[in-house]
Amino acid sequence: EIVMTQSPATLSVSPGERATLSCRASQSVSSSLAWYQQKPGQAPRLLIYGASTRATGIPARFSGSGSGTEFTLTISSLQSEDFAVYYCQQYNNWPRTFGQGTKVGIK
Amino acid sequence: EVQLLESGGGLVQPGGSLRLSCAASGFTFSSYAMTWVRQAPGKGLEWVSAISSGGGSTYYADSVKGRFTISRDNSKNTLFLQLNSLRAEDTAVYYCAKDKGAAGANWFDPWGQGTLVTVSS
Repeated sequence: EIVMTQSPATLSVSPGERATLSCRASQSVSSSLAWYQQKPGQAPRLLIYGASTRATGIPARFSGSGSGTEFTLTISSLQSEDFAVYYCQQYNNWPRTFGQGTKVGIK
Repeated sequence: EVQLLESGGGLVQPGGSLRLSCAASGFTFSSYAMTWVRQAPGKGLEWVSAISSGGGSTYYADSVKGRFTISRDNSKNTLFLQLNSLRAEDTAVYYCAKDKGAAGANWFDPWGQGTLVTVSS
C-alpha cells in the first residue's frame, strides 16, 4: 500500500496570504494525484487531478505541482471560503490511498 | 447536473449487517466506475471499495475485504455496498463518488452527501 503523508497537519494563514501544502508518496505515483477540499459538514470536493489540472469551476488561485513522490498544492491568495481541510489522494495503485489531511485555518 | 444520493445508514450492533445504496442521476451511470469512501468521526478519508462500469471488476481495502461487497444495478442507476460482520471501527460517514472513467483508474468527482453508519451495542 502506498502511504501518502501530508504536511503540515495544520496551517494558520491570514486572508490574502499564500498557502503551500505538501503531499509525499511512499513510492512513485507518477502524476496520478488528486487534491480535494472538505469543509465542515460537507462532502469533499475535487480541486486538482493529474497533479496539476484544475477541476471544472475551481478558481485559478488553486494550483498543483509535482510528480513521482513529491506534490504541492498552492493557494495563491487565501479567501475566507478557502479555510478548510485539504486531502491528497493517489490513484496510481490499488488500494487508493489518501493523505491524513492539512487543516488550513485563519491566523 | 450529476447527483449522488446515499441511503441505508443507521445504528447497527457489532456483528450486524447493513446495505447502503447510492442513487445516481444526471449522467450515463453504466459508463462510469464508482467508489465508496468513508470518514470516521473527526478523522480523515479512507477509500473502501470500487467497481468498474460493468461490474466485472471490484476492488477493496484490506480493512473491509471479506466483509463488505460492492455491487451495482445499471438498469436502476444504483450503487450498493453490503456491510457484514460490522465492527465499531466501521463507524463512519460513507460517501459514494463517481470515477472519471470506466475502469476505476481515476479521481473521484463528484461525491454524494454521505450516509452515517454507527456500529454500537
